Amino acid sequence: GAVVSQHPSWVICKSGTSVKIECRSLDFQATTMFWYRQFPKQSLMLMATSNEGSKATYEQGVEKDKFLINHASLTLSTLTVTSAHPEDSSFYICSARLEGRNNQPQHFGDGTRLSIL
Amino acid sequence: QKEVEQNSGPLSVPEGAIASLNCTYSDRVSQSFFWYRQYSGKSPELIMSIYSNGDKEDGRFTAQLNKASQYVSLLIRDSQPSDSATYLCAVNPPSGAGSYQLTFGKGTKLSVIP
Repeated sequence: GAVVSQHPSWVICKSGTSVKIECRSLDFQATTMFWYRQFPKQSLMLMATSNEGSKATYEQGVEKDKFLINHASLTLSTLTVTSAHPEDSSFYICSARLEGRNNQPQHFGDGTRLSIL
Repeated sequence: QKEVEQNSGPLSVPEGAIASLNCTYSDRVSQSFFWYRQYSGKSPELIMSIYSNGDKEDGRFTAQLNKASQYVSLLIRDSQPSDSATYLCAVNPPSGAGSYQLTFGKGTKLSVIP
């Protein structure tokens, strides 16, 4: 149980393109999902908390207008990197947690490697 | 500011030995503690959860928690080369904190030498 699917796995695109990444909880409902970014040899950095039916909560320094998050259902959150540039190239990972109790862990998707040319 | 500290390593152990990974946290009222394994180029994978003081064993893995010392550790017995990865310690805030965010340590890189 607690499988999180993330799509696509790889994206290579030209500068200025907008890229959408999907995160799905396959066998459970998740009112809260999380989006992380990880640069090579660095630690996970939380970008935002995605809340079903309401606005995402962004971490300090993360541009809301550049990283659009939509959490339209209990099993799907999307992250859109708008007008991507080479500095946005990174490994983007989503996670979701089981509902019910506060002490549930987060389960991660396989990540999306984004390369902007 | 809530912090989770880990030795970045690398920690090198010979195959078959016990690997000991340590983590300290600053928020005294933290209630839930997790260990994740992250292979190079992959996303983190949950390997252990622990919520109460003492030891919790799962196969070759043992998590140890000491809330008084604000310390959590992970022991890997009979280490294998396939255990070579970065191990992330994560701490969950207490009930009522709202967003259920985890605070992650920077990770300890483990290398198991054949």
